[in-house]
This record gives sequence, structure tokens and C-alpha cells, in this order.
Amino acid sequence: DADVTQTPRNRITKTGKRIMLECSQTKGHDRMYWYRQDPGLGLRLIYYSFDVKDINKGEISDGYSVSRQAQAKFSLSLESAIPNQTALYFCATSDRTGDETQYFGPGTRLLVL
Amino acid sequence: GNSVTQMEGPVTLSEEAFLTINCTYTATGYPSLFWYVQYPGEGLQLLLKATKADDKGSNKGFEATYRKETTSFHLEKGSVQVSDSAVYFCALSDVLGAGGTSYGKLTFGQGTILTVHP
Repeated sequence: DADVTQTPRNRITKTGKRIMLECSQTKGHDRMYWYRQDPGLGLRLIYYSFDVKDINKGEISDGYSVSRQAQAKFSLSLESAIPNQTALYFCATSDRTGDETQYFGPGTRLLVL
Repeated sequence: GNSVTQMEGPVTLSEEAFLTINCTYTATGYPSLFWYVQYPGEGLQLLLKATKADDKGSNKGFEATYRKETTSFHLEKGSVQVSDSAVYFCALSDVLGAGGTSYGKLTFGQGTILTVHP
């Protein structure tokens, strides 16, 4: 089984709708991240969480919110989706022990019409 | 702030050709450097990393050397295969300073698409 899972894998929604992307991990890591990937722009950090009570904004947090329900779960919400939020979204985890390697989920492809 | 610049793609090669993908960075402190690979339809996975100057990371025939004097971490492979076709990302870790304490965040380059033909 995959260590980092994301649901759904694909989603089509309409402008103005609220949607939630979910991430779960079995790696036992404290740190979790949400990124979006756009062609030619690499990965940009939306939010990150170093433990259940520590949530921080990344470089592009406007229009997004997150919830860390447990060590293993980190959800990303789009309160009112807009077309320029069409992108590939990745969740990642890392360990607090000083190894900065991040482990990625398979991604959620989101299309906002 | 920190930044990573990768060579423009896409890169198209024939099988068994030599590969170089350039990566340069701007950072304060002493970051760790990474190469991640993204195969079609998948998430990113770590290819190799180096944690201090002059370290060489290697994996699956790929190599990269941490060059602090030129702020570079170029990815190389002597003989590429069709299965190496993917998007490659260079990244660096945010660090607090000379002590090397990490903030725990990565900054990514824009990615380089590699296509290898038989």
C-alpha cells in the first residue's frame, strides 16, 4: 500500500463550489505539506504543518484553507473554487529528525470550470 | 529569498546519450540539495540528494555534485534509457543558518521535461 494517499485522484467542479482534497499517510511523519503544480512553474507551497497544532501559510495560500485532523491526515479546502485554481495538487510528508526529504502522494488533478 | 533555476526544457535525447540538466541556486545558509523525478501520472520521488559542499549524490546511474563555489547542482547520467523519460526537479531546503537547522521546507525549480527516444 502507498505510504501517502490522496483522494480524490481527479475532480471536476464548477466555479464557486467548495471542495476538499484529502491526504493520509502511514509513514508516521509529523510534517505535512500541500503544493500545487502548474506547467512551467514547478511546485509552489500552499500550506504546511509541522504537527497537529502547528499550521503555516506557504507562498500561495490565498483562496485555500487547511485542516490537520490528526497526525496522519491533512486536508486542503477551496472555499469557493475559481478557474485559476485548476492545477495538479500534491500532498507530501517529512520527518522531524532533520532529514529534509519529502515523500509525495500521487496527486489530485483538479479542473474548475 | 531562496530560489532555484533549472535549464529550460524540454530536453530530447536518443537512448544511450549523455544527459546534463543544469541547476543553480540562491540561498542563505547551508541548504541541502535534491533532485526529484516525476514519472508520467505519478507524484514526485526523491532521485538523489547532497547535504554539504562537495558531496556527490547518486542513484540509478544519475549523479550530482554540490558545488558551493558555483552554487550549482547539475544532474548527469552517462547513458540514458527510454525509461528515464520524466520531469526532473531540482530543489533546496530552507535552513536557519550556519548551524544548518532546517525550517523543513523545500524550494523547487520549475522542472525540466526529459524525453528519451529509442
